[in-house]
Amino acid sequence: SAVISQKPSRDICQRGTSLTIQCQVDSQVTMMFWYRQQPGQSLTLIATANQGSEATYESGFVIDKFPISRPNLTFSTLTVSNMSPEDSSIYLCSVEGVWTEDGTSTDTQYFGPGTRLTVL
Amino acid sequence: AQSVAQPEDQVNVAEGNPLTVKCTYSVSGNPYLFWYVQYPNRGLQFLLKYITGDNLVKGSYGFEAEFNKSQTSFHLKKPSALVSDSALYFCAVRPSNDYKLSFGAGTTVTVRA
Repeated sequence: SAVISQKPSRDICQRGTSLTIQCQVDSQVTMMFWYRQQPGQSLTLIATANQGSEATYESGFVIDKFPISRPNLTFSTLTVSNMSPEDSSIYLCSVEGVWTEDGTSTDTQYFGPGTRLTVL
Repeated sequence: AQSVAQPEDQVNVAEGNPLTVKCTYSVSGNPYLFWYVQYPNRGLQFLLKYITGDNLVKGSYGFEAEFNKSQTSFHLKKPSALVSDSALYFCAVRPSNDYKLSFGAGTTVTVRA
C-alpha cells in the first residue's frame, strides 16, 4: 500500500474563513478521493479528484464550497470555503490504483490519517 | 444504488472470546466488499477485502470475514479478541464496475480485559 499524509492534521478556524487541506502520496496512484466524516457518523464521499481536470462531485457537494485540485498523480488539495460550524468534521483523503512493482494496480482504497477541522 | 447495513452500533466482548461484527449489503452486480478499522483520532486502516474466489478471506491482525452471497452478508470475525482490538469498524461495498465505496454506519467494538 501507499503512504498517505495529510496536512494539517487538525485546525480550529473561524466561521467565514477557508482552509486548504493537502494530501500527499509517496507513489503514483490512479485515483484520489475526498471524504467527510461528521462527528459520530460514517464516511461520505465528497468528490473524486481528477488529474488535470475538474473534480467529480457527489450529490450535495459543490465546487464553490469544496474546490479541489489535483495537479499530478501524487498530490491533491481540498479547500473548505466560507466555513460554518456545520463544516466541523474529519476530512479524509483516500487513494486507489497504487502501482506496484509488477505493473499492476490495487483495487483497494487506502486512507490518509485525516484532518480534524473545528469551526467556531 | 448500493448500501451497507451494520445492525449493531456496539459490540462488547471479553478478551479471549470470539468477536463477530455483522455486515449486510445491497449492490447491483458482483460486490467488492471491504472492512476498515478506525482507532481514536486516526484515519481508516484497511483490514481485508473480498473480490472473488474463496468465500473466507483472511486479513490483518488475525481478522477474517466470510462472504455469503445468498445472505448478502460479509461478517467480520476474530477467534480470540484482544483489548487492542477496541475500535470503530466499518464495512464497505462497491460494485465491481464502479470505484465508489459506500460505507456502513460503523460498529464500535469494546474488548474488556
